[in-house]
Amino acid sequence: DVKVTQSSRYLVKRTGEKVFLECVQDMDHENMFWYRQDPGLGLRLIYFSYDVKMKEKGDIPEGYSVSREKKERFSLILESASTNQTSMYLCGSGRVNTGELFFGEGSRLTVL
Amino acid sequence: AQKITQTQPGMFVQEKEAVTLDCTYDTSDPSYGLFWYKQPSSGEMIFLIYQGSYDQQNATEGRYSLNFQKARKSANLVISASQLGDSAMYFCAMREVTSNTGKLIFGQGTTLQVKP
Repeated sequence: DVKVTQSSRYLVKRTGEKVFLECVQDMDHENMFWYRQDPGLGLRLIYFSYDVKMKEKGDIPEGYSVSREKKERFSLILESASTNQTSMYLCGSGRVNTGELFFGEGSRLTVL
Repeated sequence: AQKITQTQPGMFVQEKEAVTLDCTYDTSDPSYGLFWYKQPSSGEMIFLIYQGSYDQQNATEGRYSLNFQKARKSANLVISASQLGDSAMYFCAMREVTSNTGKLIFGQGTTLQVKP
């Protein structure tokens, strides 16, 4: 069974803290994505990666960085969390240009 | 610029009835794919159905069908014989094939509630 696993379902952090969100997929997919989901806005792409150590900015990359040192793992980093980054974060993976994206269960981050 | 629009923030349907969730899209790319996902309260995004822009027939997957009207740029999801477990948020998404990134652009989502 295909699987995308996100490290934390719920996190509470303070303004200014560094936050790591990790995502692991077991399907040998080339592409991995980080989306942010907010009410009324749907899912917005933060960053994506099409290969190890390769990354591209999505629509809302400000305040975020990513790391992909291994094919199966894609990390989202908030260097200095702010309250406007309180959101649900969804990681997805998929093959290049074919098929659907598979998603993890999401990480709900609250920044106080 | 590519865009997906879902104009229904919330919908209600009686159990066992059919319901249509609207989705319109905008793209200048001749080759694209359209997806529908379901997100229950647990948060996981579940893939439901896919339609390619060159597919001649509307996609169907069990109780789900996609009413694809290319000229109108619409890709509505039809759920037949609604069940209580269909209560969830539904997202329409599009991928531009020639962009070669595999990324999906999502709509705002529609919350569906099935009444017993």
